[in-house]
Amino acid sequence: GQNIDQPTEMTATEGAIVQINCTYQTSGFNGLFWYQQHAGEAPTFLSYNVLDGLEEKGRFSSFLSRSKGYSYLLLKELQMKDSASYLCAVKDSNYQLIWGAGTKLIIKP
Amino acid sequence: ETGVTQTPRHLVMGMTNKKSLKCEQHLGHNAMYWYKQSAKKPLELMFVYNFKEQTENNSVPSRFSPECPNSSHLFLHLHTLQPEDSALYLCASSHMPQGGSTAYEQYFGPGTRLTVT
Repeated sequence: GQNIDQPTEMTATEGAIVQINCTYQTSGFNGLFWYQQHAGEAPTFLSYNVLDGLEEKGRFSSFLSRSKGYSYLLLKELQMKDSASYLCAVKDSNYQLIWGAGTKLIIKP
Repeated sequence: ETGVTQTPRHLVMGMTNKKSLKCEQHLGHNAMYWYKQSAKKPLELMFVYNFKEQTENNSVPSRFSPECPNSSHLFLHLHTLQPEDSALYLCASSHMPQGGSTAYEQYFGPGTRLTVT
């Protein structure tokens, strides 16, 4: 079967760095997405990785290792507004998006 | 209006009611999606429309009936729902090349919080 694993919840301190991991087992791979979803709001697109390596976008970076079936989202200089759920999703060989259950990130002052 | 809009934002309905959810996208996309989001579970893809044609139907019960009159509007008609259908229903849109494949990032609406009593 197809599976995306992410931690259910993480806690970090304002100003710190946090890494949210995502591992996947899918039938084929055509890219990996990270989305952010604040409580009661729509998921919003953060990043897309299709090749191995690190993609940096301001305070957020996303890493992919296809051979390990592994990605992480790195958030630097955490702000209170970063408190949200972070969703990992993988496009399989049929270009279907397979979603993880999301990681709820709690930022403390 | 910009982006993807959904109405209503909240809906409470009895098991014998009939209601419809509406989604509209203002992004010029040609593909639209319905998802179900339950607490602590992955997003469940329900339906996909590409150029107004339904291309995916992931074994969704017939009490959910989609309608896509054009590439900007998507409806989800609900009837005789069960309490376990209570969830957040999200609409999304994206570009999709002809010939299929979910090739681009999806843009989501704010969702309809549905409670079935």
